Amino acid sequence: DGGITQSPKYLFRKEGQNVTLSCEQNLNHDAMYWYRQDPGQGLRLIYYSQIVNDFQKGDIAEGYSVSREKKESFPLTVTSAQKNPTAFYLCASSIGADEKLFFGSGTQLSVL
Amino acid sequence: SQQGEEDPQALSIQEGENATMNCSYKTSINNLQWYRQNSGRGLVHLILIRSNEREKHSGRLRVTLDTSKKSSSLLITASRAADTASYFCATGGSARQLTFGSGTQLTVLP
Repeated sequence: DGGITQSPKYLFRKEGQNVTLSCEQNLNHDAMYWYRQDPGQGLRLIYYSQIVNDFQKGDIAEGYSVSREKKESFPLTVTSAQKNPTAFYLCASSIGADEKLFFGSGTQLSVL
Repeated sequence: SQQGEEDPQALSIQEGENATMNCSYKTSINNLQWYRQNSGRGLVHLILIRSNEREKHSGRLRVTLDTSKKSSSLLITASRAADTASYFCATGGSARQLTFGSGTQLTVLP
């Protein structure tokens, strides 16, 4: 089945720790995105990538980093600089820049 | 602030009834999209309507767009318990510019 796989489903971060969320897609999509969702709110864009080895900051990039070494993979690292990381993180992809988004099932990150 | 805002924030109806939710936005758009999110899951795309379209249908879903009023509505006909979810509108010129509202929580009672 084609789709987007996010792992892990649940993740816990200790104070001062960096954690990495995985996102893999086999849809052959060029563009990939990371969103953050807080309870009862909409999605906010963290980072996006339109092609391999290129990515751009979204609205709330501070405290996060990404890489795009392969077309299929777009991991997100939540660094210790992100002081309020508890949220639901969603990865998405699209065929092109003006198309619908396909989403993974999300990772819930909590702070211990 | 977010571009698209849904109304109402929460809606509760009986199975078989129609559900209507609205989205208002502030600036010009190329397209408007509606997504559904089941609790604790990712979003699923429902419909994309372009700025030069006024109405679009997909199964039990009907979306209208009024660019003069900067608003859109999503109608779900003959609702089912499985339609219980949050519904989001997303507006913007391109996928990387999409902004999402805070959603309408729809509960369909059996």
